[in-house]
Amino acid sequence: AQSVTQPDIHITVSEGASLELRCNYSYGATPYLFWYVQSPGQGLQLLLKYFSGDTLVQGIKGFEAEFKRSQSSFNLRKPSVHWSDAAEYFCAVGGTSGGSYIPTFGRGTSLIVHP
Amino acid sequence: NAGVTQTPKFQVLKTGQSMTLQCAQDMNHEYMSWYRQDPGMGLRLIHYSVGAGITDQGEVPNGYNVSRSTTEDFPLRLLSAAPSQTSVYFCASKGTSGRAGTGELFFGEGSRLTVL
Repeated sequence: AQSVTQPDIHITVSEGASLELRCNYSYGATPYLFWYVQSPGQGLQLLLKYFSGDTLVQGIKGFEAEFKRSQSSFNLRKPSVHWSDAAEYFCAVGGTSGGSYIPTFGRGTSLIVHP
Repeated sequence: NAGVTQTPKFQVLKTGQSMTLQCAQDMNHEYMSWYRQDPGMGLRLIHYSVGAGITDQGEVPNGYNVSRSTTEDFPLRLLSAAPSQTSVYFCASKGTSGRAGTGELFFGEGSRLTVL
C-alpha cells in the first residue's frame, strides 16, 4: 500500500531564511508526487507536482522540490521564506487501487515564520 | 470560474441529527472525492466517485453515505451524526484530460462541522 511520511509536525524559520520540508513516500511503481499548501481557513492549493522527467521541479510562489528515487523522498525547498508562506504543507502520492485513483496524503507540516 | 463549491461552510449538529454537505464543481471533472481533516491526521479519504452513478469507499467511510447522480454534484450525507464526526470536510475533484488528467486535485474551501 502507498504511504506518505512527513516527519516534521512543525517547522519554525525566520523570514528570509531557507526552508526544507521533508517528505518520504512508499509506492511500488514510479509515483505521482505532489505538494499542496493550505492557508488558514482555506482549501488546499497545488504547489508543484512530479510525474516523470527532470527530478527537480519548480512550482508556484518560488518553491521547488527534488525527487530522489534512491531515498524515496520528495523534499520541498524555498531559498528565502516570506511571512506569507506560513501555512500547512501536505505531501501526497498519487496512485491507483483496483483501477481507481486513490491519492494518499501525509499528515502535514505546519510552517511558522518569525519576523 | 467557481471551481469546487462547498456548502455550508459551518454547521453545528446535535448527536443523532442528519445532514448533507453539498459539493458542486463546474470543471466537468469525472473524479470527485470527500476528505475529512483532523488535527495531526492529515486528510483521510471518506468516499470517492469516478463518474455519475459510480461511488466507492475510501479509508474512513463508516457513518457517511454518498451518491453521484450528475457529473457536477457529489453530496455527503451524515445519517446519524456523532461527536467523532466533528471535523473539517473537503470536497476535491480531478479531471482526466490535459492538465487536469495529471492527477492534480482541486479542493473546495471546506465545511467545518461540529457535533455536540
